[in-house]
Amino acid sequence: AQSVTQLGSHVSVSEGALVLLRCNYSSSVPPYLFWYVQYPNQGLQLLLKYTSAATLVKGINGFEAEFKKSETSFHLTKPSAHMSDAAEYFCAVHAGGTSYGKLTFGQGTILTVHP
Amino acid sequence: NAGVMQNPRHLVRRRGQEARLRCSPMKGHSHVYWYRQLPEEGLKFMVYLQKENIIDESGMPKERFSAEFPKEGPSILRIQQVVRGDSAAYFCASSPADIGGELFFGEGSRLTVL
Repeated sequence: AQSVTQLGSHVSVSEGALVLLRCNYSSSVPPYLFWYVQYPNQGLQLLLKYTSAATLVKGINGFEAEFKKSETSFHLTKPSAHMSDAAEYFCAVHAGGTSYGKLTFGQGTILTVHP
Repeated sequence: NAGVMQNPRHLVRRRGQEARLRCSPMKGHSHVYWYRQLPEEGLKFMVYLQKENIIDESGMPKERFSAEFPKEGPSILRIQQVVRGDSAAYFCASSPADIGGELFFGEGSRLTVL
C-alpha cells in the first residue's frame, strides 16, 4: 500500500524567493513519484516524475525534485518564484510495477506568491 | 490535438436525482481513469477502464456509482440517487497503454447536490 503526506496545506513566498514544497511517501514497493500542478478551475498537469532513474528530476517551468530514499521524501523546489507559479500542487505515488495509472495523491499544497 | 474533454463542467442536481458525467480521452489513449476530489482533499482514485472493460474499480463506492467505457463514445460515470456527500469535482484522466502514472487530466466536472 502507498500513502503520501504533504507538509503544509498553504505555502506563501515572495516573488523571486525559493519555493520548497514538502512531500513524504510510504510505499511497500519501489515507488514512482510525481508532482502535479492544478491551476484554478483546471485539471491537473504533470510537472515532473521520478521512475527510478536519476534521483534529481527536472520538470517544467523551472521546478525540480529530489528523491531521497533514506528520508522517504520527494520535495519540490524552484530557485525563484514567479507570480504565475501560484497554484495548488499535488504529490503522488504509484506502485511502479503495475502498468496503469492508479495514483495515490497527497492532500495538496496551495502556493501563494506575493509581489 | 485535443486534450481530455469532460462535460458538463458544472452540474447541479437535487437529492435523489441521477448525475451522468462524460469523458472523451485524448486521441490514441485507450486507458481511462476517474478520480474524485472532495473539498479540502486530494484526488482519490475511483475506477480504471479500458474499452468495454472495467479493470479496477476498487475506489468506487459499492452502491449508486457505476462507470463504463463503451466501444464507441465517451466514458460515462453515473451516480444514481445523488446525496449531498456526492458533491465534488470529478476528474477524468487518460493515458496511452503501459505508461504507469503519467496521466493527462481533463478540467473536471463539478457536481453540486442541493
